[in-house]
Amino acid sequence: EAGVTQFPSHSVIEKGQTVTLRCDPISGHDNLYWYRRVMGKEIKFLLHFVKESKQDESGMPNNRFLAERTGGTYSTLKVQPAELEDSGVYFCASSQVEVGSPLHFGNGTRLTVT
Amino acid sequence: GQNIDQPTEMTATEGAIVQINCTYQTSGFNGLFWYQQHAGEAPTFLSYNVLDGLEEKGRFSSFLSRSKGYSYLLLKELQMKDSASYLCAVKDNQGGKLIFGQGTELSVKP
Repeated sequence: EAGVTQFPSHSVIEKGQTVTLRCDPISGHDNLYWYRRVMGKEIKFLLHFVKESKQDESGMPNNRFLAERTGGTYSTLKVQPAELEDSGVYFCASSQVEVGSPLHFGNGTRLTVT
Repeated sequence: GQNIDQPTEMTATEGAIVQINCTYQTSGFNGLFWYQQHAGEAPTFLSYNVLDGLEEKGRFSSFLSRSKGYSYLLLKELQMKDSASYLCAVKDNQGGKLIFGQGTELSVKP
């Protein structure tokens, strides 16, 4: 089966610009998660979709971040306007709803804000 | 609060055994996962423990003690390709998100 795919793999933007990250989960996975790893720190949770509904967005840093999952398939994460501290690797993961189902991660998008 | 601790770095010799420890203090618990991550790649699932005891899967085993808030990942017959970051993550019981430790960078030497 195809894994979780993320696009782009790298993005370099200037402070104040907008960037949209995309995630295509594994087909049939209703759970979709966004995580972020800032250099030197642990991977941190951003938010969780179940199908098209936001289940938990407690990790979203502020209102400059907007995540959508229209139709319960792929998801986008938009950062507008980007700030220097938004630099990091953004991971998407998906899983089945059964208890104990592991999260399958994409390769991540490395975002650099200059 | 949520706190997951694991050693930052470890070094071991090819063919040997290494144990990577993880201690956790979280407000909820719904299982503990271990992931392997090579540089620039996606974290990949290694193991899942929700009950106390040892889970064995080939060269990799994982142990959990819920009363002690402790887990370890045991890697046997180390190979050079096992050099990677190993991530301990606790699944919370509200929504099921994973809370990660900082990861242990394992270097396997010849």
